[in-house]
Parts: sequence; C-alpha cells; structure tokens
Amino acid sequence: EAQVTQNPRYLITVTGKKLTVTCSQNMNHEYMSWYRQDPGLGLRQIYYSMNVEVTDKGDVPEGYKVSRKEKRNFPLILESPSPNQTSLYFCASRTGQGAYEQYFGPGTRLTVT
Amino acid sequence: DQQVKQNSPSLSVQEGRISILNCDYTNSMFDYFLWYKKYPAEGPTFLISISSIKDKNEDGRFTVFLNKSAKHLSLHIVPSQPGDSAVYFCAASDLLGTYKYIFGTGTRLKVLA
Repeated sequence: EAQVTQNPRYLITVTGKKLTVTCSQNMNHEYMSWYRQDPGLGLRQIYYSMNVEVTDKGDVPEGYKVSRKEKRNFPLILESPSPNQTSLYFCASRTGQGAYEQYFGPGTRLTVT
Repeated sequence: DQQVKQNSPSLSVQEGRISILNCDYTNSMFDYFLWYKKYPAEGPTFLISISSIKDKNEDGRFTVFLNKSAKHLSLHIVPSQPGDSAVYFCAASDLLGTYKYIFGTGTRLKVLA
C-alpha cells in the first residue's frame, strides 16, 4: 500500500531534550516536506526537500533541522524543543514532475512541557 | 502576512445542497492551487487542483473555480453528503519558483442530514 508513515504518533517531552520524528514514504517520491498545524494558523511548511541531499526552508524553519540522506526518509529534528513547538506535525511527499498533489502522513502530536 | 486566506472558519449545509468554500490569495506568482480535505486524527487528503492557466476543473461532485483577476478560488461540492463533513484547506504554490506550498487556515464544513 502506498503510504507516508510517521513515528511516533504521539510524543510528550520536556524543554531542551533533543528529539527526532521520522518520516518514510514507499512511493519513490522525490519531494518531501514537513508541516505543522496550529489552531487558527492552518498548515505551515517547515522544510522541504526536492531530492536526496537537497533541502530548503519553508515558512517556519526556526528551531528545526532536517536531513535527506535517502530518498524514502526525511526526519525532522528538534535539537532543543521549546513549548512553542507543541503542535501537530505532518510529513508529506509527492513526485518531482507532473503531479503536484502531496500525500500526507497521519500526523505526530508533539507536546513540549 | 497571510498569503492564502480562508475567511469562513465554518460552514453548514443541508445534505443534497451545494457547498461553496472560498479562498483568497495575495501572491500573483502562485501558479498552482489545490484543495485538501482533513478528517480528525488523519492527515490531509488531496481533493482537486487547478493550474493558473485554467479557470475551472471538475472531478465528479467537486469543481474548483479560479478567478485570477480577483485572486480568488472556490470549491463547489454538489450534491453535498454527510461524509463530506471535514475541514477543507486550500493551498497555493509557485511551482516554477520556490516549490513552497502555502496553506489557508481551513474551513470546517458540516453537512446536515
């Protein structure tokens, strides 16, 4: 089944404790992206990657890091999480050419205390 | 600076009637527009899209209209069904430029049986 998977689905952590949210897709998609969803703000793009080793900032990249060492994986790294990073996070992917709709993962609900 | 705006946070429609969801944008560089549907506890799913070279795209019960001069797009759902009850996000991208996606804040549609 074609899908985008994220782990963990739920995470409660404390300020300053480094964490990684994994994202993996099995559709051989070139483009991958991370979003956060907050009440009243919709979905905001954090980082995106056009292909392996190619990443770029979205609209809200501060406090986040990403890497794209393999085509299928695009982890989101919070080196020193803060309470304002409490949010619902989505990973998404799409093909590089011709079709521009993204396929989203199920989401990761992160709480930073 | 909200480049993509969905000014109606919620909308209620009777089953069988037309649902019209609206979206306004400010950036004239956007060249591709998409609508996503989101159910609780799931990731957004792609619904329909339109390129800036078109003014209408239809897929079954869903039609998207684009008015470039007004920088406005709308999603029509006819006839509306209870299963259409969800949050709808419009998104815009300048695919020839930054490859970023900008999402609106969403409209919660409730279809009443």
